[in-house]
Amino acid sequence: GENVEQHPSTLSVQEGDSAVIKCTYSDSASNYFPWYKQELGKGPQLIIDIRSNVGEKKDQRIAVTLNKTAKHFSLHITETQPEDSAVYFCAATGGANNLFFGTGTRLTVIP
Amino acid sequence: DSGVTQTPKHLITATGQRVTLRCSPRSGDLSVYWYQQSLDQGLQFLIQYYNGEERAKGNILERFSAQQFPDLHSELNLSSLELGDSALYFCASSATGGDTEAFFGQGTRLTVV
Repeated sequence: GENVEQHPSTLSVQEGDSAVIKCTYSDSASNYFPWYKQELGKGPQLIIDIRSNVGEKKDQRIAVTLNKTAKHFSLHITETQPEDSAVYFCAATGGANNLFFGTGTRLTVIP
Repeated sequence: DSGVTQTPKHLITATGQRVTLRCSPRSGDLSVYWYQQSLDQGLQFLIQYYNGEERAKGNILERFSAQQFPDLHSELNLSSLELGDSALYFCASSATGGDTEAFFGQGTRLTVV
C-alpha cells in the first residue's frame, strides 16, 4: 500500500515567518494530495489540496507544490500567525483510492 | 461543522469489553473511512466502505470490525478491548473515493481502563 512520510515532526517559527512542511509518497499511481489541519480537540480539516496534473496551487497565505517525478509535495505557509498553530497532516491516495496520511507536523507560531 | 456525526463523543470501558462507535456521513457521501489516532500520533487508516461495500482495509486488528448500512451510516465494533486500544477514533466521509475531499467528524475518545 501507499507509504507517506512527513517532515519535520515539530516546527517552531516566529510570527510573520514562513513555514514549510515536506512529504514523500511511494505509490506512483497516487493522484490526489490533500493537506489537513487539526486543532486541539477537533477532527482534521482540509486546508488545501492538489492533483497530479498540477504542479503548484495557492490559496492566500497557503501554497502546495508537487513534484511527481521525485514523489514529493510540500506545504508552504507564509506570514504565519498564532492561529496557524496546529498539527498538519499530508495525505495521498493509494491504489484503492483510500487516503493514507503522514505522521503529522506540530507547528507552533511564536508571537 | 463538517456534517459528519460521530457518537458517542467519549467512552470509558473496561478491558475485555466490546463497544460500538457510530458514524453518520455527510448527506450524499458514499464513502466512509475509519481512522485511529493514539496520543500524539498520526492517523492510522483502519478501513473504508463505499456504498455499503468494504473497499479497502488498513491496519485493522481482527478484534475490530466495521460495516456500512443501507442508509450509509457506519459502525465500528471493537471487542476484547485492551489498554492499548485507548485512542481517538475518527470517521470521515467523502463523495466518492479518496480523490475527493474527506470530511472528518469530531471523533470518539475511547478510554479502556
